[in-house]
Amino acid sequence: DGGITQSPKYLFRKEGQNVTLSCEQNLNHDAMYWYRQDPGQGLRLIYYSQIVNDFQKGDIAEGYSVSREKKESFPLTVTSAQKNPTAFYLCASSIVISGANVLTFGAGSRLTVL
Amino acid sequence: DAKTTQPPSMDCAEGRAANLPCNHSTISGNEYVYWYRQIHSQGPQYIIHGLKNNETNEMASLIITEDRKSSTLILPHATLRDTAVYYCIVRGRNSGGSYIPTFGRGTSLIVHP
Repeated sequence: DGGITQSPKYLFRKEGQNVTLSCEQNLNHDAMYWYRQDPGQGLRLIYYSQIVNDFQKGDIAEGYSVSREKKESFPLTVTSAQKNPTAFYLCASSIVISGANVLTFGAGSRLTVL
Repeated sequence: DAKTTQPPSMDCAEGRAANLPCNHSTISGNEYVYWYRQIHSQGPQYIIHGLKNNETNEMASLIITEDRKSSTLILPHATLRDTAVYYCIVRGRNSGGSYIPTFGRGTSLIVHP
């Protein structure tokens, strides 16, 4: 089955530690995205990549970093510079269908900083 | 960016139709209307999209007004499993001509027995 796999599903981190969230897709989609969701809020865009070896900052990129070395993979590193990293992180990929950009999401990774 | 207005919450009886409204009065001629839903603690799921014509798929129907300033997502026979937050998205970040969806707070739909 094609889809997006995020790991780990739950992650605990001590303050001052970097952590990397994995996102892998086998949909052959060119574009991939990272969103952050806080309780009761919508999704906020962290980074996105429309092609391998290229990525762009979203609305809340500070304290995060990404890489896109392979089409299938778009890992997100939450650095110690991120002031409030506890959140639900969602990875997505997309394909354009008749001019419309339709996203497919992973199941999410919940990060808790202790 | 995502200039849509949705009611924060709605409820619906199981088996009845759920009609979720969305206002997008600033939509431009080539912008699609998208609907996604998010069941608690899961990733959002794409439901349907449309440009001008009404659309139907196995999940829902999308009715877009003639002036395209509003739309309604219809779940024809709601079930308890349709309880979720529903996001109407019209516009997001423009990157190279492709819009990246911006998600607001959506409508929390509760389907009750």
